[in-house]
Amino acid sequence: NAGVMQNPRHLVRRRGQEARLRCSPMKGHSHVYWYRQLPEEGLKFMVYLQKENIIDESGMPKERFSAEFPKEGPSILRIQQVVRGDSAAYFCASSPPAEDTQYFGPGTRLTVL
Amino acid sequence: GQNIDQPTEMTATEGAIVQINCTYQTSGFNGLFWYQQHAGEAPTFLSYNVLDGLEEKGRFSSFLSRSKGYSYLLLKELQMKDSASYLCAATNAGNNRKLIWGLGTSLAVNP
Repeated sequence: NAGVMQNPRHLVRRRGQEARLRCSPMKGHSHVYWYRQLPEEGLKFMVYLQKENIIDESGMPKERFSAEFPKEGPSILRIQQVVRGDSAAYFCASSPPAEDTQYFGPGTRLTVL
Repeated sequence: GQNIDQPTEMTATEGAIVQINCTYQTSGFNGLFWYQQHAGEAPTFLSYNVLDGLEEKGRFSSFLSRSKGYSYLLLKELQMKDSASYLCAATNAGNNRKLIWGLGTSLAVNP
């Protein structure tokens, strides 16, 4: 069973561009979580999704950020009009329907020039 | 409110034992996770305690006291590769699976 997959692993964008981060959960996992982490800092929860539903987006900035987890395909975290402050590692985690344990993907390192 | 507290940094010597403490305050507590995160890598699952008591898993053990809102991670026979950040996270009861995360304890193991 492949683990949680994220791509790209590294993404460089210029200010004002859009960043799209993808997350494929482990097989059989229907819950996806997105986190942001700055160097030397803790994980910051962003959003929790189930298939086609956003369950909790209390950690998402109100503007420029959106997330989806469609019926088919990976979960997408989209950042529009990126700014330098968006530079961070973005981790995705998934969990199966009957379990609370979250399994993390390798992360996407976003650098905004 | 909901809060997780753990020490910011700890230092220990190779071969020794270290205990990393975590206190939590959450509404509707369900269980307590410990994750390990090496620099530049993703967190990896170590343990999940739901019931009071100590659970041992090789060199790592985790303890939970629900009445005291307290947990610890015990690392024995420390190795250099145990140098990492250790994250404590609490679950909420109910349908929202969002975890409440501590900021992590950075452990440095010295020779």
